[in-house]
This record gives sequence, structure tokens and C-alpha cells, in this order.
Amino acid sequence: AQTVTQSQPEMSVQEAETVTLSCTYDTSENNYYLFWYKQPPSRQMILVIRQEAYKQQNATENRFSVNFQKAAKSFSLKISDSQLGDTAMYFCAFMNYNAGNMLTFGGGTRLMVKP
Amino acid sequence: GAVVSQHPSWVICKSGTSVKIECRSLDFQATTMFWYRQFPKQSLMLMATSNEGSKATYEQGVEKDKFLINHASLTLSTLTVTSAHPEDSSFYICSARSGQGTTEAFFGQGTRLTVV
Repeated sequence: AQTVTQSQPEMSVQEAETVTLSCTYDTSENNYYLFWYKQPPSRQMILVIRQEAYKQQNATENRFSVNFQKAAKSFSLKISDSQLGDTAMYFCAFMNYNAGNMLTFGGGTRLMVKP
Repeated sequence: GAVVSQHPSWVICKSGTSVKIECRSLDFQATTMFWYRQFPKQSLMLMATSNEGSKATYEQGVEKDKFLINHASLTLSTLTVTSAHPEDSSFYICSARSGQGTTEAFFGQGTRLTVV
């Protein structure tokens, strides 16, 4: 079974600054995907970024980028130029491609962007 | 992106009654749907996985007779909380995936259930 750990329950950052959210996971699989989801106060889950384990290049989506360290089983999210709208819960998630495609979520990190 | 509509957004019911939550994929066929439960300030916990036309697969510790899941069509899955009790109060979220080869899951808006 996979486990996903987010060691930072809460974080805060000043508007326009950069913040990094940590995520580690444990798996014996070699073929998997990793995701970061955002859950704003509306509770709607929004996909932020996705990384295929077989790709060495770190995924980037505008202000969001990841640092994927496969050997260390680490998958951190960097948010650059933080905006007030980035305030939300952020969940790291793991998907084993060969086991029903279900998502295993970390405990979440509550990010507050301060003006 | 694809749209998943979950209804109702919130519901209050009396203890002992049953409540049905619907999850619809509006612009794609969802071969697999997932139901999650989220307690306040906690993560999403997978309750069950349902594939169209077959019985749902429940996670360990989830009572299948209490949380009835039906996935009768490629665009609709329902979760029925039977004989609801206050401890069933929670936020329930569905997600849908269009096929085995796809990796992105699309989420509904969630349903806040309060049992009084």
C-alpha cells in the first residue's frame, strides 16, 4: 500500500513571495503518477500539477513547479509570486497506474497568503 | 476540463432516514467513479470505487450496507447513506475518470451532509 506524507500542516507566505510545500511518499511501484491538488474554501478540488514518475523533467504550470526526486520519493510544490487566491488547502496525491487508478492523498497543507 | 456535477451541495436529514447523493459526468463517459469522505480539516479518504455496470469495491472499514453505491450508467453514480446517524455527518466528494488509460480525475463540488 502507498502512503503519502505532508509534514507541514500549515504554512504562510507573503504575497508575491515564493513558498515550497513538501510531500514524501512510499511505494514499491515503479509506474505511478503524482499530483498536487488545491482545495479552496469552496471545497472544490482543483488539479494544480501532475508528474509522471518515468519523466525525469520536473513538471511546470505557470507559477507552479515541482521538484521530483524519485530516489528520495519526494515531490515538493513550489509556488512563485504567491497570490491571495492561492490561499487554500493543498493535497499531494499518488496514483498507481496499475492498481485501479485510485488516488491516495496526503494529509494536506493549509497555505495562507498574506497581503 | 471535464465537468462533474454533484448534487445536492448540502443536505440536512433526520437520524434514521436515508440520503442519496448523485454524481454526474456532464461531458464525458465516466467508466470509473470514486467516492471520498472528508472530515473537517482532514484529507480525503477513499470510501469506494465503482465501475459502470459492476458492484462497487469498498475500502476496508467502510460498511457497504450502509453506504450503497450504484453506477448504473456511464454518466451517473449515486451514494446512498442508509439509516443515517450523526456520526455520518461529513463532506462527501465524488470523482470520475473517463477510462483506464486516463490519469486525471475530475471532482464534483462535494456534498455536506448533516444528520440531526
